[in-house]
Amino acid sequence: AQSVAQPEDQVNVAEGNPLTVKCTYSVSGNPYLFWYVQYPNRGLQFLLKYITGDNLVKGSYGFEAEFNKSQTSFHLKKPSALVSDSALYFCAVRDPGLTGGGNKLTFGTGTQLKVEL
Amino acid sequence: DGGITQSPKYLFRKEGQNVTLSCEQNLNHDAMYWYRQDPGQGLRLIYYSQIVNDFQKGDIAEGYSVSREKKESFPLTVTSAQKNPTAFYLCASSIRGQRTSTDTQYFGPGTRLTVL
Repeated sequence: AQSVAQPEDQVNVAEGNPLTVKCTYSVSGNPYLFWYVQYPNRGLQFLLKYITGDNLVKGSYGFEAEFNKSQTSFHLKKPSALVSDSALYFCAVRDPGLTGGGNKLTFGTGTQLKVEL
Repeated sequence: DGGITQSPKYLFRKEGQNVTLSCEQNLNHDAMYWYRQDPGQGLRLIYYSQIVNDFQKGDIAEGYSVSREKKESFPLTVTSAQKNPTAFYLCASSIRGQRTSTDTQYFGPGTRLTVL
């Protein structure tokens, strides 16, 4: 089975401060991990993914995420938050070692990020 | 949102009616997906299709049906058997649909269905 958890329903941060949105996963093998962002009444936009290689992945809009296998985590980070970063963020996982199920992703429940002036 | 379109943006349905949500992509992707989003529950997979003329049930397929007669199109029908259909429905696609694929899923803008 594959699962993912986002332990925080909401994260508040002041503009200009660093932000972190947490994600932990559970798979039997090596995971493929993804971050998406959703603005109100819109579809999900892809930010970044980890497949293999360097544990630090850089993505769109200045976001990055660090894969930590020992802690089974894939936290999303940004050095300096903007008010425009306020949105709903989803972490997703796929275990390529499972049989069947196609290119199925399992999503977390989402974390609402609020960046204030 | 890229080359994936969903229509309509908003849809209202009376209880007991079937409705069909449209999803079209011009990305030449083999695989397409339907998700349902409810507040606080993230996204749940309804159906997916790895290739034309083939589709598989996801985690919450009961009360839904799909077809994949063309590569570009993957319509979702919400039937009267779906007990709680009010939700935000998202369509996605990816180049390939195999489990070992490293391809990203890209999403359409969504359809908000409300049952009156």
